[in-house]
Amino acid sequence: RKEVEQDPGPFNVPEGATVAFNCTYSNSASQSFFWYRQDCRKEPKLLMSVYSSGNEDGRFTAQLNRASQYISLLIRDSKLSDSATYLCVVNRFYGQNFVFGPGTRLSVLP
Amino acid sequence: GAVVSQHPSRVICKSGTSVKIECRSLDFQATTMFWYRQFPKQSLMLMATSNEGSKATYEQGVEKDKFLINHASLTLSTLTVTSAHPEDSSFYICSYGTSGTDTQYFGPGTRLTVL
Repeated sequence: RKEVEQDPGPFNVPEGATVAFNCTYSNSASQSFFWYRQDCRKEPKLLMSVYSSGNEDGRFTAQLNRASQYISLLIRDSKLSDSATYLCVVNRFYGQNFVFGPGTRLSVLP
Repeated sequence: GAVVSQHPSRVICKSGTSVKIECRSLDFQATTMFWYRQFPKQSLMLMATSNEGSKATYEQGVEKDKFLINHASLTLSTLTVTSAHPEDSSFYICSYGTSGTDTQYFGPGTRLTVL
């Protein structure tokens, strides 16, 4: 089993749709959690850090369930510019030991 | 956020040659540096971690004699792919971290193609 797993995708949704991505991690000692987005042939860019209480940034909402070792990302009112691959990232231990999930590709269609 | 540059952005080389990739932090001093590679349609895989002035720690399955990492200063790190082969063709990305935080700042990546 991979340490970080994500919805396989791809997700093809119309503009304005709400889409949710799921991620699970196997290492219960993981300390912190992130969602990154990666455009084709570009480096990953931090979208959100994920906190235990859940956090929201505009159209994006992230939630963490430590008991179930599960992380989610909700995107509301999808825009064409949201088309990208979304990477779930888990920090194993304090000290930036990042493990990247395989990513879920999102295509927002006009 | 912090700015990280990589050079070159793209390189094509013949099999058996060595390629050096530079990673620079432009506006801060980085204590820890990470090198990742990403094969097509796959996610980033950590290759090695290094702290300034120390030898790099390589992930399992990454040959330290093939992928030479030098982190001589707080603003510059280099990855040298020695005797490159076509299977080394990949997207190589560096990132910097600072002590006491979880944040990593990624470079724009270098696309290596070995013919």
